[in-house]
Amino acid sequence: DAMVIQNPRYQVTQFGKPVTLSCSQTLNHNVMYWYQQKSSQAPKLLFHYYDKDFNNEADTPDNFQSRRPNTSFCFLDIRSPGLGDAAMYLCATSSGNSGANVLTFGAGSRLTVL
Amino acid sequence: GQNIDQPTEMTATEGAIVQINCTYQTSGFNGLFWYQQHAGEAPTFLSYNVLDGLEEKGRFSSFLSRSKGYSYLLLKELQMKDSASYLCASRDSNYQLIWGAGTKLIIKP
Repeated sequence: DAMVIQNPRYQVTQFGKPVTLSCSQTLNHNVMYWYQQKSSQAPKLLFHYYDKDFNNEADTPDNFQSRRPNTSFCFLDIRSPGLGDAAMYLCATSSGNSGANVLTFGAGSRLTVL
Repeated sequence: GQNIDQPTEMTATEGAIVQINCTYQTSGFNGLFWYQQHAGEAPTFLSYNVLDGLEEKGRFSSFLSRSKGYSYLLLKELQMKDSASYLCASRDSNYQLIWGAGTKLIIKP
């Protein structure tokens, strides 16, 4: 059974039209991450939450926002998608961020911007 | 700056052995991870090394040399389903994961 669930799996939007991607987890993990991954590139960390403590990467554009209303759910809001935001968005969780704590990824949400 | 280097693409034959190398330069070190990622899917965890040496897990093994900033993933008895990208990631002193761009492994019959 999937433990990190992302919706939608595929999202098509128009240039400038806001998009919200969701992630839910059944692992009760403290840490949740949002990554952006473009074809043949390394995953790029956008944000992460350690419980309710929000951590924004320095180079994450203001166009990207995130919410974590409770332990199980996390949302990624893209306020005005541009063509350069077309990518796979990966949600991941871990029970901590030290030692051998492994990231468990969701299946991803692939965003297309027209 | 922090950097992970791994080959972009490798080709191997079904049933053979392949070694995928990774060199890392990070601010501090708190472990080295390998993940497998099939096309269009999410990465899945393969291995974790924090001490020097070889960790064996079935057909997959991972090696680490901290003094050299070097790791490799060894895949034995290759199967067609092993065709995927293999991502190397190093955890730095702030416990952030620094990811490589992945090595695309192509398996031929």
